[in-house]
Order: sequence, then structure tokens, then C-alpha cells
Amino acid sequence: RKEVEQDPGPFNVPEGATVAFNCTYSNSASQSFFWYRQDCRKEPKLLMSVYSSGNEDGRFTAQLNRASQYISLLIRDSKLSDSATYLCVVNREWSSASKIIFGSGTRLSIRP
Amino acid sequence: DTAVSQTPKYLVTQMGNDKSIKCEQNLGHDTMYWYKQDSKKFLKIMFSYNNKELIINETVPNRFSPKSPDKAHLNLHINSLELGDSAVYFCASSQDTGGPSPLHFGNGTRLTVT
Repeated sequence: RKEVEQDPGPFNVPEGATVAFNCTYSNSASQSFFWYRQDCRKEPKLLMSVYSSGNEDGRFTAQLNRASQYISLLIRDSKLSDSATYLCVVNREWSSASKIIFGSGTRLSIRP
Repeated sequence: DTAVSQTPKYLVTQMGNDKSIKCEQNLGHDTMYWYKQDSKKFLKIMFSYNNKELIINETVPNRFSPKSPDKAHLNLHINSLELGDSAVYFCASSQDTGGPSPLHFGNGTRLTVT
């Protein structure tokens, strides 16, 4: 079993729709969590950190459920520019990126 | 102004050759990394350096050798290239002091071995 698992998709949704991804992690000692976005043939870029209380950044909402060991990303009012691969990232250490594990990504395609 | 820059962006070479990829970061971060992203888009850490000290060396072939002349630079040298080395190699850095440490990536080097 992979340490970080994501539905690979692709998710193909119309512009304006709300879409949600989940990601599960197997190591209960995991300390910090992130969502990254990777556009085709580009580098991954940090979308948002995920905090225990949940957090929101504009149209994006991230949630963490430690009991069930999953994190989620909700995108409201999706835009064409949201088309990308979304990477779930889990870190086994709080203040060091040396134990970061990447999920294999969920592909999202927004259609007009 | 680029935070993490790596060169070259594209590298096409033949099997058996030796090549290097360079990386520099101007963020003042303490830790730098090399990641490999294969054809299935899975990102896997190869090496990590913290203040010029190797702190991770995942099970990569010893044909791959990282070199860090200072904490702003981390280069990757690859000997005797093989077809299976074809991938995108990303350099990254992180601050690693107090709180979650997101990674900042360079724009990648697409290596094709023929």
C-alpha cells in the first residue's frame, strides 16, 4: 500500500462546478500536510498548507481528518485555469521537509 | 529573480555519457533536494542536503552523485547514463525552521537518454 494515495482521475467537470478530491495517508505520525498543483510540463507549486482546523483560500478549502487519516481539497466555482494535476503531500516531520511523501496526483480538467 | 533555478532545461544525450545538472536557490533556504519524476508522474526524492551535509540518500544508483559547494547550490552528476534515467529532475529547497516547510521547486530538467 502506498503511503499517500490519491484517485488519479481524470476529473472532467464544467466551468463553475464544485469539485472535491480526497487523499489518504497511512502513517498516523504524519505531521504536516499540503496540496500542490502541477501544470503540464511545469514544476509543482504550493497551493496551500492544510491545518487541523481546516483552512480556506479564496475558492479553495482544505480539510484534515486525522482520525480517518485523510485530507481533502474543495474547489468552488471552478475556472478553466484550475485545470492541472493536484498533488497531495504529507510530511512525517513538523518543521523539516526531509520526510515529505508525494501522492501520485489527481488530474483535473475543467471544460467550458 | 527566480527563486530556484536549474540548468539545463532540456538534456538529450546518449547512453553511457556523463552529464550534470546545476541548481541554485536565492531564498536563503537551509535544505536543498533532488527529485525525480518518472513517466507516470510520480515524484520521488533522491537526495537532500542541509547546509552542505547529505541528510538523505534514498536508494538511487551510485551513478548519481550530488555535490553541494555551498548551501545555495546543489548539483547532480550522473555517470554512465541509462535509458531508464530518462525523466524530469526537479531541484527544490525548503527553510526547515519552525512550522511546516513547503518545498519550492525549480522548473525541472527534462533528461532524455537515447
